Amino acid sequence: LAKTTQPISMDSYEGQEVNITCSHNNIATNDYITWYQQFPSQGPRFIIQGYKTKVTNEVASLFIPADRKSSTLSLPRVSLSDTAVYYCLVGFQKLVFGTGTRLLVSP
Amino acid sequence: DAGITQSPRYKITETGRQVTLMCHQTWSHSYMFWYRQDLGHGLRLIYYSAAADITDKGEVPDGYVVSRSKTENFPLTLESATRSQTSVYFCASSDPGKSTSYEQYFGPGTRLTVT
Repeated sequence: LAKTTQPISMDSYEGQEVNITCSHNNIATNDYITWYQQFPSQGPRFIIQGYKTKVTNEVASLFIPADRKSSTLSLPRVSLSDTAVYYCLVGFQKLVFGTGTRLLVSP
Repeated sequence: DAGITQSPRYKITETGRQVTLMCHQTWSHSYMFWYRQDLGHGLRLIYYSAAADITDKGEVPDGYVVSRSKTENFPLTLESATRSQTSVYFCASSDPGKSTSYEQYFGPGTRLTVT
């Protein structure tokens, strides 16, 4: 199971774009890259998933370079409600959650 | 649309007792998972199931037993609870055959305290 490394915490202000980078040097050929969001006392919630290049949905973008050894989650114009822990995972069905990135958005 | 539910939501038990945590999903998803999350840490996979009667170990399976006789249910049993099993337990389900992603849907969690 591929291990991921991401910053422990990040701070931002409302309206700013936030980019969280994750490294996954031993990603396997059939692994997908997935990001989850978790609020206190709740289960994680799926944000976005990709295999290569760029993926965009209504809440985020995911940038994956050609070597797939890292990925960047981009949250445009964050709000206070985006304060949460963000997990980067690589895998197929068996997922390894790291410690995540604790994002704090301030007014 | 009930989704995925867990019961009980809170449980206090004593060391050595057997405890069963229930997980039920209404989507007929093929895959189901059990994770534990210790305070201030990420989730760790305990067991998962690819279909009824098919289960496999995750990262931390010792001390736990699972079964899956029906697609919609995936109970997790602690055969003899220990204090180190105090944690929040999350159940999740997914069905890659019905979607274009491997998104897992998580339940609300069960907070288990072993005294």
